[in-house]
Amino acid sequence: NAGVTQTPKFRILKIGQSMTLQCTQDMNHNYMYWYRQDPGMGLKLIYYSVGAGITDKGEVPNGYNVSRSTTEDFPLRLELAAPSQTSVYFCASSWDGSRTQYFGPGTRLLVL
Amino acid sequence: LAKTTQPISMDSYEGQEVNITCSHNNIATNDYITWYQQFPSQGPRFIIQGYKTKVTNEVASLFIPADRKSSTLSLPRVSLSDTAVYYCLVGDDGAGTALIFGKGTTLSVSS
Repeated sequence: NAGVTQTPKFRILKIGQSMTLQCTQDMNHNYMYWYRQDPGMGLKLIYYSVGAGITDKGEVPNGYNVSRSTTEDFPLRLELAAPSQTSVYFCASSWDGSRTQYFGPGTRLLVL
Repeated sequence: LAKTTQPISMDSYEGQEVNITCSHNNIATNDYITWYQQFPSQGPRFIIQGYKTKVTNEVASLFIPADRKSSTLSLPRVSLSDTAVYYCLVGDDGAGTALIFGKGTTLSVSS
């Protein structure tokens, strides 16, 4: 099992550009999450999904969109990149939605 | 949601036992206490979770007093590889629960 994988590992965007952060899990988990972590801070929830076709907002959803067409994939879309979105993005998954979540290695995003 | 308070940083030497205490005065009846570990440039990793008394696994022990207003993560005989940020999280274990991370405790282990 690869667990939770994320691509790319690192990306530089110009202000106003868009991109999709990819997240895939091979554990057949129903629940998936996107978090962001700013330097020296804890993680904040952006969006989460309780199953294919179902998504919901977290604490900081503005500027992001998600979709969940399959159990395995949960991409995060940035439409108009802003410097405030410079952060490390972590995807996580959970079998039963409990507090035991499995995290991916993260995507480091720099918006200039 | 119960707010947690834990030390910003701690220092230790290899071979010592490290105890990190987390304060959560407003913990609710349905809340669990969960600890995660995060190494630099990696995602957090689940360490241990408990509701009351003591929980032990191959990595750590978690001590929770009867009033549940605090908890202590105990790492036995730490090594350099235990240098990481440790997060204490409190919340219920319902389906779809999102984890609320604070700044955590940065543990530095020296030789």
